[in-house]
Amino acid sequence: ELKVEQNPLFLSMQEGKNYTIYCNYSTTSDRLYWYRQDPGKSLESLFVLLSNGAVKQEGRLMASLDTKARLSTLHITAAVHDLSATYFCAVGSSNTGKLIFGQGTTLQVKP
Amino acid sequence: DTEVTQTPKHLVMGMTNKKSLKCEQHMGHRAMYWYKQKAKKPPELMFVYSYEKLSINESVPSRFSPECPNSSLLNLHLHALQPEDSALYLCASSHQGASETQYFGPGTRLLVL
Repeated sequence: ELKVEQNPLFLSMQEGKNYTIYCNYSTTSDRLYWYRQDPGKSLESLFVLLSNGAVKQEGRLMASLDTKARLSTLHITAAVHDLSATYFCAVGSSNTGKLIFGQGTTLQVKP
Repeated sequence: DTEVTQTPKHLVMGMTNKKSLKCEQHMGHRAMYWYKQKAKKPPELMFVYSYEKLSINESVPSRFSPECPNSSLLNLHLHALQPEDSALYLCASSHQGASETQYFGPGTRLLVL
């Protein structure tokens, strides 16, 4: 059974600081996704990572994938308040036809 | 256009009511999904439709009944719900399968009294 674990589950950080969210998954998969969810809102797709060593960047967020370690990271550079949200990683499998989500990491960026 | 729409945005219903949630996409996607999300939890998959046929039912109670009238529309019929069914119900779609990027609608926030 595919399991996806994120850590930390809650992250409070000061503006301007850097931090990394980790996403581990238990079996091989086709793709890894990062989504953002603002309170009371829906999920917004941030990144899709397809292969080992893949790296994608958008603004202050950079996501990477190590398929051998079954690990993805979401790195936050010089955090700003607007990045406050819950971030989910999710692993897709064409075998199961499902997208399995991690528990989510709630990021709070303080001025 | 990467938009999935859902109606209504909010719904309050009693345990004896019958109501329906609606989802629509015009991206030509052939896979559509219903998820349930409780506060501070990840979305939980309920149903998957692939090419208008139900392909996955995650052992959802029969008081939830999905329907896919055509490739653009997905309904979720609700009957005799329980207060613990109160949650955010999210619809999503993807080009063909779950291993592709899923685009989520804004959700329907359901309260069962």
